[in-house]
Parts: sequence; structure tokens; C-alpha cells
Amino acid sequence: QKEVEQNSGPLSVPEGAIASLNCTYSDRGSQSFFWYRQYSGKSPELIMFIYSNGDKEDGRFTAQLNKASQYVSLLIRDSQPSDSATYLCAAQRTGGGNKLTFGTGTQLKVEL
Amino acid sequence: GAVVSQHPSWVICKSGTSVKIECRSLDFQATTMFWYRQFPKQSLMLMATSNEGSKATYEQGVEKDKFLINHASLTLSTLTVTSAHPEDSSFYICSARDVQGTEAFFGQGTRLTVV
Repeated sequence: QKEVEQNSGPLSVPEGAIASLNCTYSDRGSQSFFWYRQYSGKSPELIMFIYSNGDKEDGRFTAQLNKASQYVSLLIRDSQPSDSATYLCAAQRTGGGNKLTFGTGTQLKVEL
Repeated sequence: GAVVSQHPSWVICKSGTSVKIECRSLDFQATTMFWYRQFPKQSLMLMATSNEGSKATYEQGVEKDKFLINHASLTLSTLTVTSAHPEDSSFYICSARDVQGTEAFFGQGTRLTVV
């Protein structure tokens, strides 16, 4: 079982719709969770992170964390074609160098 | 956010030669730097974690004698791929974190092609 799992996609949504990206993790010691966006051939860019159960909103993005279910999600409202990218979920366990464990990413396509 | 500069962005080298990749934190002191490798359509795989002034901690399966990591200052870490082979061709990415930050900032990545 992978430590961080994501559906590889592609997930296709029409422009203006809500895109919902999901991630599950297996290590209950993970404390913080990160969502990165990665365009093809580029390095990841941080969208947001979350460490408390519940929702965290930042502009068009909302991260949701449910530690009991070991589930993290990212909602993108009013999706734009420029949101088309691969979205990486990462988990961080406190201590041990605070290293991140990445999922394989979900490819999102926002269609006109 | 903070800026991490990685150089070069891409490099082509001959099999058997060595390649050095630099990762610099431009506006903060990076007490910890991480080196990742990413193969096409795969996720980032952590290779090693380096703390300034100490030896790097390598992940299982990563050859420390092949991937030499130096973190001699708070703003610079280097990864040297020694005796490179075509199977080392990949996208190498560094990230850096300061002593206070939760967030790690990524460099632009280096596309290495070994021919």
C-alpha cells in the first residue's frame, strides 16, 4: 500500500465548475498535508497546507482534512483552463526531518 | 514566498561523467534541504535530506556514493551525480526549508539527460 494515494486521472471538468481532488494516506503519524500544483516539466508550486480537521479556504481553493478517515481533499471553485495541471498531495510526519511523502498526483483538465 | 534557485535547468552529459546541480536559497537560510527525483508520469521520490554542516540522510535504495550531497552553507546545497548512466536521466528537484517554516520551497528543477 502506498503511503499517499491519489487517483491519477485525468479528471476533466468544464470551465467554471468545481474540481474535487482526493487523497488518502496510510501513516496515522502524518500531521500536516500539502497540496502542490505541477505543470508539465516544471517543479511543484505550493497551493496550500492543512493540519487541522475541517476546511481551510484560500481564494478559489479549499482544502479539507479528515484525520479519522485519513482523507484529504482539495476543491477548486470556478475552475479555469490555467488550473489544468497535475495536483500532488503530500503528507508530513512531524520529526524525522519533516520530510514530505508525495502521492503520484492527479491530472486535472479544465475544458473550455 | 521564499525563492529557491536551482541550476542548471537542464543538462546533457555523456555516460560515465559527473554532473553537479546547485540549489540556493536566495532570501532565507535553509537549515534543511531535500533532494527529489521524478521520472516521467511519476511522483517525486525523496532521495536524501541534508542539514547544513552535517552528512546527508539518504533514503533506502539511494546510493550515497553515486549521489553526493553537500550542504556546506545555509544557502547552498549541491547534488553531484557521479559516473552518470542513462538510467539516471530524470528530473531532479531540490527544496529548502528554514528553521521556522512549515513550508518547503522548491527549486525550478534540473532535467538531466545522460547519453
